[in-house]
Amino acid sequence: AAGVIQSPRHLIKEKRETATLKCYPIPRHDTVYWYQQGPGQDPQFLISFYEKMQSDKGSIPDRFSAQQFSDYHSELNMSSLELGDSALYFCASSLEGYGTHEQYFGPGTRLTVT
Amino acid sequence: DAKTTQPPSMDCAEGRAANLPCNHSTISGNEYVYWYRQIHSQGPQYIIHGLKNNETNEMASLIITEDRKSSTLILPHATLRDTAVYYCIVRPPIAGGTSYGKLTFGQGTILTVHP
Repeated sequence: AAGVIQSPRHLIKEKRETATLKCYPIPRHDTVYWYQQGPGQDPQFLISFYEKMQSDKGSIPDRFSAQQFSDYHSELNMSSLELGDSALYFCASSLEGYGTHEQYFGPGTRLTVT
Repeated sequence: DAKTTQPPSMDCAEGRAANLPCNHSTISGNEYVYWYRQIHSQGPQYIIHGLKNNETNEMASLIITEDRKSSTLILPHATLRDTAVYYCIVRPPIAGGTSYGKLTFGQGTILTVHP
């Protein structure tokens, strides 16, 4: 079965640079979530989109922005990168218009800021 | 969202049942109990969820007490591959486009299955 695809899997950037993370949800899923997991921490919700509209926002820095495109893929844009942005970034998708509840996570993008 | 409390760690012998408890004493009547797990640095994986009745699927069973203030996730025959962090999450019902879908991960239980 198709799963959530994230690219790239690994990304190394320097401070003050910009990074773009991509997420391709499971086909026909209508909702995308982004989570950040710092070293030794639990995943933290950043932002979500339902049917291409932002549906919720968590502790996402103003330096980060995200959107969901017409083909339902989503991109997380991160600017003015800081050392503290080094983390695993997970994307998850679900079919919430039909209330199926489960979120399916991708393998994550490991971002290292040097 | 209701807060959950889980033991920080548990051990289990391979082939035995692993019973992971979770307290959610402030749960509201319409909130669901979800369980996810995360195997080292992989994306969290959905296991099971329930509202008030006990649930079973191919991965696990979920037992929810009658007052819904606690629950237990049961892995009937634990294997080494079940070693992971297990998260118990309480979540309101989903209505498409609402803000209720996010998962709030708290401190989970590190389950170690040993030979």
